[in-house]
Amino acid sequence: QAALSQPPSASGSPGQSVTISCTGSSGDVGTYDYVSWYQQHPGKAPRLMIYEVNKRPSGVPDRFSGSKSGNTASLTVSGLQGEDEADYHCSSYAGSNNYVFGTGTKVTVL
Amino acid sequence: QFQLQESGPGLVKPSETLSLACSVSGGSFTSPGYYWAWIRQPPGKGLEWIGSISYSGLPYFNPSLKSRVAMSVDTSKNQFSLKLNSVTAADTAVYYCARDRRYLDWSLFWYFDLWGRGSLITVSS
Repeated sequence: QAALSQPPSASGSPGQSVTISCTGSSGDVGTYDYVSWYQQHPGKAPRLMIYEVNKRPSGVPDRFSGSKSGNTASLTVSGLQGEDEADYHCSSYAGSNNYVFGTGTKVTVL
Repeated sequence: QFQLQESGPGLVKPSETLSLACSVSGGSFTSPGYYWAWIRQPPGKGLEWIGSISYSGLPYFNPSLKSRVAMSVDTSKNQFSLKLNSVTAADTAVYYCARDRRYLDWSLFWYFDLWGRGSLITVSS
């Protein structure tokens, strides 16, 4: 299965919003509402931020939100803060007990 | 609290077999509804799911790696393991173990909610 496509980079000033896209196919994002997003700071393990397209685990700020339209899922970070500068990875269930990850996006807070 | 910790050799020679173990502590390894996963990240690149295994030993693998991968569990040690054979430089990566959330009662889930800190494996002669 091919990796989900994400833009290599995105940026925004403190307090602004940034949206990251995650484009798959009808075999993954387009069919299943099992899209998750992970935040990864340099040298650290990924952290679950969003699951099932738009649900936040306990402890994740409500500045993080997710959505999906067709074959594309999106993660929006509102009210950007310096600590939000990190890499973000999307993932989707791809059928037959398989997962596929995205190519990753580096978010810079200007 | 719940923790996962990878252990491995650090350096593996080309054509040999990479072996990694993940120790689970601070919670139940045999709770229904969870699988245990391996995910890797080549330097400067994105994440790649390698495979997941239930505590009873039922595995699922990434189709692109399936011919080279084996996974196993040892419930007496709260541990699960990965073997990847015939490695090349392309297998150089940070290897993470993670908890794979699958179901609760009649609800299905597909995400990784807990991760280890990762183990860098370099394939080089």
